[in-house]
Amino acid sequence: GQQLNQSPQSMFIQEGEDVSMNCTSSSIFNTWLWYKQDPGEGPVLLIALYKAGELTSNGRLTAQFGITRKDSFLNISASIPSDVGIYFCAGSGGSYIPTFGRGTSLIVHP
Amino acid sequence: GAGVSQSPRYKVAKRGQDVALRCDPISGHVSLFWYQQALGQGPEFLTYFQNEAQLDKSGLPSDRFFAERPEGSVSTLKIQRTQQEDSAVYLCASSSGQGAYGYTFGSGTRLTVV
Repeated sequence: GQQLNQSPQSMFIQEGEDVSMNCTSSSIFNTWLWYKQDPGEGPVLLIALYKAGELTSNGRLTAQFGITRKDSFLNISASIPSDVGIYFCAGSGGSYIPTFGRGTSLIVHP
Repeated sequence: GAGVSQSPRYKVAKRGQDVALRCDPISGHVSLFWYQQALGQGPEFLTYFQNEAQLDKSGLPSDRFFAERPEGSVSTLKIQRTQQEDSAVYLCASSSGQGAYGYTFGSGTRLTVV
């Protein structure tokens, strides 16, 4: 099935560093979603974006809905060990059914 | 309930066996989705219900996969004559809205076909 292009595939960083990951699509989306998944659990919604150009924050997390409506990025500032996990982007168009990226695995070294 | 509940959490099936996976959505949520997540991949859409109506089943990989939600609450995903490529985590999600905005996932059922 179709999946979005999400990069990087994995990141190894030091505690306190900032992180940036992005997602691109060949299709135009009306909604971008960012999720985090811990081992053995389902994805948990972090941020939802509904408008092109929108910039939204949730604590240390900031996400933007690209102007072209074909991309989005997620930034995490001042990373901490509990940020470890797999981050997924998801986009949806008229069908309201999100298509997910392949995920970015984040490892934070204390 | 407080969250989306899926059972069983783990299922080992012999190739050729039929399995049934259950999803209890958040009470009152009208939208329910099933996703399949292979190891190291993102979730892939299988099917979508709005109340008891199955509005989209375009993601079901074959006619061995069947989903139902007869009373608009609990849903069951059935896989007949399981094959090794069916091994994956099956995730259920529910939402109060028509679409998928901010919907809540369950912890999933990990199916291993041996």
